[in-house]
Amino acid sequence: ETGVTQSPTHLIKTRGQQVTLRCSSQSGHNTVSWYQQALGQGPQFIFQYYREEENGRGNFPPRFSGLQFPNYSSELNVNALELDDSALYLCASSLDLSGGEQFFGPGTRLTVL
Amino acid sequence: KNEVEQSPQNLTAQEGEFITINCSYSVGISALHWLQQHPGGGIVSLFMLSSGKKKHGRLIATINIQEKHSSLHITASHPRDSAVYICAVLWGGGADGLTFGKGTHLIIQP
Repeated sequence: ETGVTQSPTHLIKTRGQQVTLRCSSQSGHNTVSWYQQALGQGPQFIFQYYREEENGRGNFPPRFSGLQFPNYSSELNVNALELDDSALYLCASSLDLSGGEQFFGPGTRLTVL
Repeated sequence: KNEVEQSPQNLTAQEGEFITINCSYSVGISALHWLQQHPGGGIVSLFMLSSGKKKHGRLIATINIQEKHSSLHITASHPRDSAVYICAVLWGGGADGLTFGKGTHLIIQP
């Protein structure tokens, strides 16, 4: 039990719709990172937030956006969903930006039809 | 492009065997993580290394910074060790999140 939770567990959307995925980090963890894991692949870095500011971003288009809140919760928003967005979305929290231990949530499985 | 290579991709072994999974990376890192992922998706952090060696139970992780190489060993393997083991690195800058290897799918047969 890492203490990191994600909701919902599973989600089905249609192409063109918008989706919001949520993550609740461990208390005191100022950094949250989001990853996309397509079936059979390793996770790919989407972006990272530190103290409510975006701190780094991977190779994902602007329709992927995020928010981090003072209560250690965060959101990943995806607009104009495409079929290729179907994946497991993982959030990971850590204390700070020093590369310390990462605590992963169980993930949200998104299916886009 | 900075890369993380893992080997082998797939490994099937008998219960009790000593298991080694290897990870190499292309440039300097600030940290290397070994992670375990079970079917269904949940990822568990096993080790975070920046130098030397760490041990937890039957698991041992080592890293050689000069050779840009790390290994994960499992002693006295058991069917419950069956999972995907992933090596992930944080590059020197730290703002690019973790870069993951493709994972090693381990099956331990009774």
